[in-house]
Amino acid sequence: DAKTTQPPSMDCAEGRAANLPCNHSTISGNEYVYWYRQIHSQGPQYIIHGLKNNETNEMASLIITEDRKSSTLILPHATLRDTAVYYCIVRVPNTGNQFYFGTGTSLTVIP
Amino acid sequence: GAVVSQHPSWVICKSGTSVKIECRSLDFQATTMFWYRQFPKQSLMLMATSNEGSKATYEQGVEKDKFLINHASLTLSTLTVTSAHPEDSSFYICSARPELGNQPQHFGDGTRLSIL
Repeated sequence: DAKTTQPPSMDCAEGRAANLPCNHSTISGNEYVYWYRQIHSQGPQYIIHGLKNNETNEMASLIITEDRKSSTLILPHATLRDTAVYYCIVRVPNTGNQFYFGTGTSLTVIP
Repeated sequence: GAVVSQHPSWVICKSGTSVKIECRSLDFQATTMFWYRQFPKQSLMLMATSNEGSKATYEQGVEKDKFLINHASLTLSTLTVTSAHPEDSSFYICSARPELGNQPQHFGDGTRLSIL
C-alpha cells in the first residue's frame, strides 16, 4: 500500500474551514484515497473517499490533485465536535481491504 | 448505513484470565473482518485479518496463540486474549466492509481492556 504523510497537528477556528492535507506520492492508479477520523476513545469514523475526481458529501469535501499525489480534506465549517485525529489512507478497494493507519493529523478546533 | 458493533465496550479483569471480545456486522455480511490494537497516543495497529470459515491471518509480531480469532459466521468474529497480562491492556477495535459494491470499511466503537 502507498504510504501517506500528514502533518501531526493543526488548529482551526470554530466556524472556519479546516483544510487537512495528505501526501501520497507513490499512489498507484487503482488505489483510492480514504479519510477517517477518530474522536477520543471511539472507533474510527468513515468520512469520505475518492479515486481522482473531487468528492463531496454531508460531512466534507475531498480534493485530489490531478497527478493524484496529494489530497486535501475540507471541513467547510468546523465545529468543536470536529476535534479529532484525521487519518488519510490509500488502498485498492475490494482486495482484502486491510487498512494500515499512519499517525494522522490531530485537529483541534478552537472556540 | 453499515454498522459494526463491539461487545463489551470495556472490561477489567485479573491477570491470567482470558477475555473474549465480539465484533458483529449488524446489517451486512462480511467474510472478512479485521482486528486492531491501539495504545495511548498511538495510531491503530492491524493485528489480524479474520476470515469466515478459515484461519485468521496474523500480522508480523502478533502471537496467534495469544490472540485467538474465530469467525464462525458471516456476521460475527471474536477475539480472545488468552492468559491476559497488564501489557495486553489496550484499546481493541474491529472493522468490516459490506461485500457488495465499493463501500468503505466500518469500525466498531472499540473495547477498552484493562488487566490488573
